[in-house]
Parts: sequence; structure tokens; C-alpha cells
Amino acid sequence: DAGVIQSPRHEVTEMGQEVTLRCKPISGHDYLFWYRQTMMRGLELLIYFNNNVPIDDSGMPEDRFSAKMPNASFSTLKIQPSEPRDSAVYFCASSPSATGELFFGEGSRLTVL
Amino acid sequence: AQSVTQLGSHVSVSEGALVLLRCNYSSSVPPYLFWYVQYPNQGLQLLLKYTSAATLVKGINGFEAEFKKSETSFHLTKPSAHMSDAAEYFCAVSHNNAGNMLTFGGGTRLMVKP
Repeated sequence: DAGVIQSPRHEVTEMGQEVTLRCKPISGHDYLFWYRQTMMRGLELLIYFNNNVPIDDSGMPEDRFSAKMPNASFSTLKIQPSEPRDSAVYFCASSPSATGELFFGEGSRLTVL
Repeated sequence: AQSVTQLGSHVSVSEGALVLLRCNYSSSVPPYLFWYVQYPNQGLQLLLKYTSAATLVKGINGFEAEFKKSETSFHLTKPSAHMSDAAEYFCAVSHNNAGNMLTFGGGTRLMVKP
């Protein structure tokens, strides 16, 4: 398997623009997670899905952030409008049921100017 | 709420020396505990996990960790450091029954000197 695939790997945008990050989980994994990593706050869980249904979105910072999982092989994290404080590396991870192991993508590095 | 604390954001050892990375957890119920490693510009990879079976857990690349309930600790060790071990290491605790909703510690960057 190719692993968790994220795109884009790098994104530079201006404040106020919409940003969409994409994730393809490993086939057969029924959990999908979005994490954000910054120097100041470390790794933060934003939201996770089980069988395409959002289970816990308490980590989503504000209404500017939204995530969807329209099918088992695709998820998006959208920021609209973006702000400089959203600059971070965003990781997607998937997990099969009941193993406790997360498989991470290589991350999307977002810079908002 | 369950959480983990990693003592020391940076640890430096010489090649061949013992590696000890510290992690203490806070949990009201028996936890699932994990160590992940992150190499530069990559995602995290699982090193090992504790799920209430054996208290001494062996992982990949010669790492192991011991669950000590009396000390609420889950320290990561490796007898002999290799240059390729230089990376950031994260301790994590799970929150859900599936064991995969994780809260990560702040991370410890391991530097290995030749």
C-alpha cells in the first residue's frame, strides 16, 4: 500500500484566502484523524472520523475550520478565511479498528502570509 | 482528562551511549500508551505500544519501554544510540476504546553526537 497520501505538501497563501488540504487514507482503515503541529502548541487533534462520520471535532479551533469525509478514501480540511496564526504542518492519519496504531501522512506545511 | 508529560524537550547522547527519554502519564483508568518517532519532514511512525499485556514492551529499532504504574511512567530506552536515532520522539495516551484517539506529549528531540 502507498500509505496515507496528503496534498499539497507545501502551500503558501495570503491572509483571507481559502485553503483546502486533502487526504487519502490507507485502504481498509476505518478511522481518519486530522492533527496540527506547531512549535508553540505541539501536536493537536483537530477532528476524527469513524466510517466517514465525524466523531469528535472538539479540537477544531473555530468556525473557519471545517472537515469532510465524503467517502472512505478521501477527506478534506478547509480553512476559510485563513489567518497567519493558522500556519502549521497539518497531518492526516488513518487507523484500522482496535489496533491503536495511527499511520501518518507526510504532512501539509501551510504558510499564511 | 488523560495526558502525558515528556521531561526534557532536548536530549543529547553520544553514539553508543544509553538513550533514556522520559514520559509520565496522567490517567484515571489503565491507559493505552505509545511512543512515536518523527524524522525531519516526515510524519510520525509507531515505535511501540502498551496495551496492558506485558509491562516491558519491545519496539522497532532496538527501543523498549517499561510501564510502571507506581510511578505513572512509560520511559523509552535503547542500550546503544546510533546516529540514525536522531529524531523527535513523542509519547502519547489514548482516549477511546479503539485506542487510537491520541493525546501527544510535547516531544523530545534526540541528538546523537559522533
